[in-house]
Formats: sequence, C-alpha cells, structure tokens
Amino acid sequence: GENVEQHPSTLSVQEGDSAVIKCTYSDSASNYFPWYKQELGKRPQLIIDIRSNVGEKKDQRIAVTLNKTAKHFSLHITETQPEDSAVYFCADYSSASKIIFGSGTRLSIRP
Amino acid sequence: GAGVSQSPSNKVTEKGKDVELRCDPISGHTALYWYRQSLGQGLEFLIYFQGNSAPDKSGLPSDRFSAERTGGSVSTLTIQRTQQEDSAVYLCASSQTGTGREKLFFGSGTQLSVL
Repeated sequence: GENVEQHPSTLSVQEGDSAVIKCTYSDSASNYFPWYKQELGKRPQLIIDIRSNVGEKKDQRIAVTLNKTAKHFSLHITETQPEDSAVYFCADYSSASKIIFGSGTRLSIRP
Repeated sequence: GAGVSQSPSNKVTEKGKDVELRCDPISGHTALYWYRQSLGQGLEFLIYFQGNSAPDKSGLPSDRFSAERTGGSVSTLTIQRTQQEDSAVYLCASSQTGTGREKLFFGSGTQLSVL
C-alpha cells in the first residue's frame, strides 16, 4: 500500500484547454484520494479529494474521478488559467501512519 | 496558532555541523508529519507522530536523522553531521486526528543549505 504512481511528470497546455493528471495506487484497501497543489515557493495545499464511495467530485473547474476497479484516480482541470500553473501531487492514504505522495506533475499553462 | 509554523525559514550550515528544525503544528492536531523536498522533486516521507504512540520512523534516510515531539505538540527534526545531499526544503504537516482520510496542513518549510 505504499506505491502511488503519478503521470505525467510535466504537462503543458494552452490556456483555456483542459488538463488531466492520473495516479495509480496498489492497495485495494485505499479509500481516500486527495490532490494537493503547490505553487512555486509555497506550501502544498489540498484542492480536492474524493472518498471511495463516490466516483466523481467537482468543484468549479476542477474535478477528481475514481476508478476503483482499475485502481486509479485522476485530476481534471477545465478552462485552464495562468494561476493553475503549479505542481500537483496525489497521495496514497492506504496507511494512515505513512501518507505517501506521488512524484508530482508540473503543469504549465501557455498564454 | 493560525497555521503550522516552522522555524527557521532558512538555514545555512557547514558540512559536518548539526542542525535542528522546529515545527509548531496547529493547536489540537494530534498527527504530525515531516517530509523532505529536494529541488524540483516530490515529497519524501520522513517520520510520523500520532498522539502518544511510537512514531513511524521508517522514512528517515539514515541514523543521522532523528525527531522528537514533546508534549504532543512541538516537534524538532535533528540532522547530525550534515552532508551536502541533506540540502532540501523540510516540510512539516499536521492533521486533526491522524486516522487518515483528512486534510494535511503544511507549514511553509525550512530551506536547508549545507555548504
């Protein structure tokens, strides 16, 4: 339950287009799937999370989808804006004592 | 306090010296985590404290690293005989219960530079 793979490592999209980041986990007991955003020089902050009893959750332009069968969850950002440029991390909470983060995705929004 | 507080914000030290990094979690939060973030890299788990339980030290990279949490509140991460590869941002985070499935609140980190 300590492995979480995140792809892609870097992503560049045109402003206004959508961005999708995916994480794959290994422990079928995992039941909480958060996404953190870290702007340059700042601390990571939770932007959205989902629990295993739902398949999708939306909050304005961001959404997270969960596929428990395939053991992956994804972050979707629509109508991207310059302020979306940041590093995004997913996390594996399968072990409450050791929250493991994905390797991060550096998202750049091209004007 | 209003948030997780870390000090110092920056620390420059010479190779071989010992350093202490401090974390003040949000009042009432029982869980406290330390992570290390090297330049442009991800968040590497170091150690986890939950209430009065024995800490999970499985992420500490060597025996030069140790951490304490006194009185269930403030935590200190100590690095002995620092090496250049220890240079990184050390982030502390706390959560309310530590039972998982809850938000982590991060401090602003300590930027450690070992010359």
